[in-house]
Amino acid sequence: KAGVTQTPRYLIKTRGQQVTLSCSPISGHRSVSWYQQTPGQGLQFLFEYFSETQRNKGNFPGRFSGRQFSNSRSEMNVSTLELGDSALYLCASSDLKSWNTEAFFGQGTRLTVV
Amino acid sequence: AQKITQTQPGMFVQEKEAVTLDCTYDTSDPSYGLFWYKQPSSGEMIFLIYQGSYDQQNATEGRYSLNFQKARKSANLVISASQLGDSAMYFCAMREAQETSGSRLTFGEGTQLTVNP
Repeated sequence: KAGVTQTPRYLIKTRGQQVTLSCSPISGHRSVSWYQQTPGQGLQFLFEYFSETQRNKGNFPGRFSGRQFSNSRSEMNVSTLELGDSALYLCASSDLKSWNTEAFFGQGTRLTVV
Repeated sequence: AQKITQTQPGMFVQEKEAVTLDCTYDTSDPSYGLFWYKQPSSGEMIFLIYQGSYDQQNATEGRYSLNFQKARKSANLVISASQLGDSAMYFCAMREAQETSGSRLTFGEGTQLTVNP
């Protein structure tokens, strides 16, 4: 079974631009969650999608958005990039909406905003 | 309030020895799951072990075991026979069952483990 795949692995963008990151969950998994990791703030939850619906959202500005497709692949978009958006973005996949299931992460997308 | 606390920013261990990484948590939800992840310098988050709040026995996965003390709200990770490749950042995380939490994981700040030869 293939693991969680995130693309691209690395990105360099300029302030003010927008970016789209992609996450393909493990086959059969319907829940995809996104996290931002920075040295100062640690790992912070962005949002979660389950069966194409956003189920939960963290405390991030509206510039951060996401969606999920019928095949469970998910994208997150950051508009009007700021220097502080430089981070490792991780997505996690789970097979059920239950709390009692494992969550597997992708390798992450490292975004640098210059 | 901090839901997951990892009090050891850095730990050192000799190769082949055992090491315990501490994790305490705070929740009022009776149903929750506890996770440990390993993050090497490459950045990927590797799932190690899971413990559910209703599990009667401590979870084990190869060289990893979870010392779950529910009354003390602690979920320490024990790595036996440390290897050089175990050097990495280790994160403890919790997922609560309440509907509003969804699949959200709350992470601790991590412990940087260094295995010395």
